[in-house]
Amino acid sequence: QKEVEQNSGPLSVPEGAIASLNCTYSDRGSQSFFWYRQYSGKSPELIMSIYSNGDKEDGRFTAQLNKASQYVSLLIRDSQPSDSATYLCAVSRGIILTGGGNKLTFGTGTQLKVEL
Amino acid sequence: SQTIHQWPATLVQPVGSPLSLECTVEGTSNPNLYWYRQAAGRGLQLLFYSVGIGQISSEVPQNLSASRPQDRQFILSSKKLLLSDSGFYLCAWETGGDSPLHFGNGTRLTVT
Repeated sequence: QKEVEQNSGPLSVPEGAIASLNCTYSDRGSQSFFWYRQYSGKSPELIMSIYSNGDKEDGRFTAQLNKASQYVSLLIRDSQPSDSATYLCAVSRGIILTGGGNKLTFGTGTQLKVEL
Repeated sequence: SQTIHQWPATLVQPVGSPLSLECTVEGTSNPNLYWYRQAAGRGLQLLFYSVGIGQISSEVPQNLSASRPQDRQFILSSKKLLLSDSGFYLCAWETGGDSPLHFGNGTRLTVT
């Protein structure tokens, strides 16, 4: 079982629709959860951070966390063609690296395509 | 505000040649620094991290090495590149605790 699992996609949604991206993780001790957006050929860009159960909204983006079920999701409302990218889910157990530091485990990403 | 600079953006190197990639962070002190690699169609692999000057930890044994000569400078090196070293190399920083990672623009390395 992968530590962080995402459906690779592509997930195709029409412009203006809600895109729902899901991520499951295996480590019950995980404490911090992040969503990154990565355009083709570019570096990952942080979209959302979520640390407690429930929903967190930021503009058109909503992150949802359910620690009991070990899943985190990202909803994108009113999807735009510019949202077409690969979305990476990252999970952290907290400070566990030797000497400090925060080890994030990344999923392989879900490719989202927003169609006109 | 904090910024991270990574260079070069692209690099084509022959097998057996040396490598040096550099990353600097501005606007913060004592950042935790990371080198990741992303192979084509694959996830992000943590290569090295550093929590202070001269402190380097390796996550994956390989022919790469890292150094942190200054607080906000992180260097990835190799004495002899392999074909398998091709990939997208990303430097990242964070300020500790539960803070998220912030990535540089990356270096696309092709070993021929």
